[in-house]
Amino acid sequence: EVQLVESGGGLVQPGGSLRLSCAASGFTFDSYAMTWVRQAPGKGLEWVSDISTSGGTAYYSDSVRGRFTVSRDNSHNTLYLQMNSLRAEDTAIYFCARRIIGGFEYWGQGTLVTVSS
Amino acid sequence: QSALTQPRSVSGSPGQSVTISCTGTSSNVGSSNYVSWYQLHPGKAPKLIIYDVSKRPSGVPDRFSGSKSGNTASLTISGLQAEDEADYSCCSHAGSSWVFGGGTKLTVL
Repeated sequence: EVQLVESGGGLVQPGGSLRLSCAASGFTFDSYAMTWVRQAPGKGLEWVSDISTSGGTAYYSDSVRGRFTVSRDNSHNTLYLQMNSLRAEDTAIYFCARRIIGGFEYWGQGTLVTVSS
Repeated sequence: QSALTQPRSVSGSPGQSVTISCTGTSSNVGSSNYVSWYQLHPGKAPKLIIYDVSKRPSGVPDRFSGSKSGNTASLTISGLQAEDEADYSCCSHAGSSWVFGGGTKLTVL
């Protein structure tokens, strides 16, 4: 059974940093690109970042580029999102997802990030 | 990376059909074969129900179908059931990024 479990969310002050993790199990992790998607309170889903199977290629949305860094540890089946210079508008539930060519096949239940003073 | 446009809400009675539209541009929906749809229940992991415009993952009932015409994709749910009440979000590949719709709340009356 495919499982994705996010962790690392919490309350952080504006300008602060946080690192999210996504532990994957039930599939060959290094065979799939992975994605971070977020959902702000009362808003729709927003794509954040994609990373290739090897971790050698990453893409970011305009809203996080230069502040967030996605990475993966294939030996430990874990996906990461390092978030720096956090802003109030980054407050959201962050989901990791297993990507297929045409979309996002499996999702975790998400971890809540709250940016507030 | 503007969001795709979806109606805020739709409703239907059990057994009826509803269609949710998802309007983008020629830079995303209009030029992409990678349009997908997701079902969201609060507190649960989002679920993929349609990918590649019209394909269903295994386990998704054939009551769910997808299509696309020009810059607009559509999700049709036939034979509505109470458990279909949820939020639905479309998504399109757009070059090296992905863009989602704002989401549609489906109410089963």
